[in-house]
Amino acid sequence: DTGVSQNPRHKITKRGQNVTFRCDPISEHNRLYWYRQTLGQGPEFLTYFQNEAQLEKSRLLSDRFSAERPKGSFSTLEIQRTEQGDSAMYLCASSLVHYNSPLHFGNGTRLTVT
Amino acid sequence: GESVGLHLPTLSVQEGDNSIINCAYSNSASDYFIWYKQESGKGPQFIIDIRSNMDKRQGQRVTVLLNKTVKHLSLQIAATQPGDSAVYFCADLGYQKVTFGTGTKLQVIP
Repeated sequence: DTGVSQNPRHKITKRGQNVTFRCDPISEHNRLYWYRQTLGQGPEFLTYFQNEAQLEKSRLLSDRFSAERPKGSFSTLEIQRTEQGDSAMYLCASSLVHYNSPLHFGNGTRLTVT
Repeated sequence: GESVGLHLPTLSVQEGDNSIINCAYSNSASDYFIWYKQESGKGPQFIIDIRSNMDKRQGQRVTVLLNKTVKHLSLQIAATQPGDSAVYFCADLGYQKVTFGTGTKLQVIP
């Protein structure tokens, strides 16, 4: 399977704990995106990278959230001191850098904060 | 992209009939649109795209129509099948990121 891969698929954690998710993009894709999706809503943009540079962060991304893409390949999204409101599906997508290049999404990590 | 929204939250269609899902956008500068299909528990799956220099684009059983005058998109699915049941999003892809609307849930009645 050469699509976008996300791990883990599901994560249940207690409030206050830290969690980290991983995304492996399609190998030739320079751009990597993180989105968050809650039930009944469309995905909301969080942040994106071009190679290893983080080029934009949404106001949704509080200081408890940090994303990295150290070598321009896989990326991690960490949430510190999780809150119940962080419960959501976290989606990763990748694309080529060219204008009008569609995003290809992984199947997400479902986070439940108890 | 700016606001991209959908007219109807739920659409029920008889199996074998054609489905039409509508979408409005507000940014007149938008020039590239994508339709995604999202099944339960999965990420959005690319279906078809269209650039603003086109009015219509066809894929396998799907057609996207773009009306720039009224800033409206539609996705037509021919001979709707049970496997088409999902939430469909139109999305506006600017240079940097995709902006999604809430989505339309398509329910196929056997």
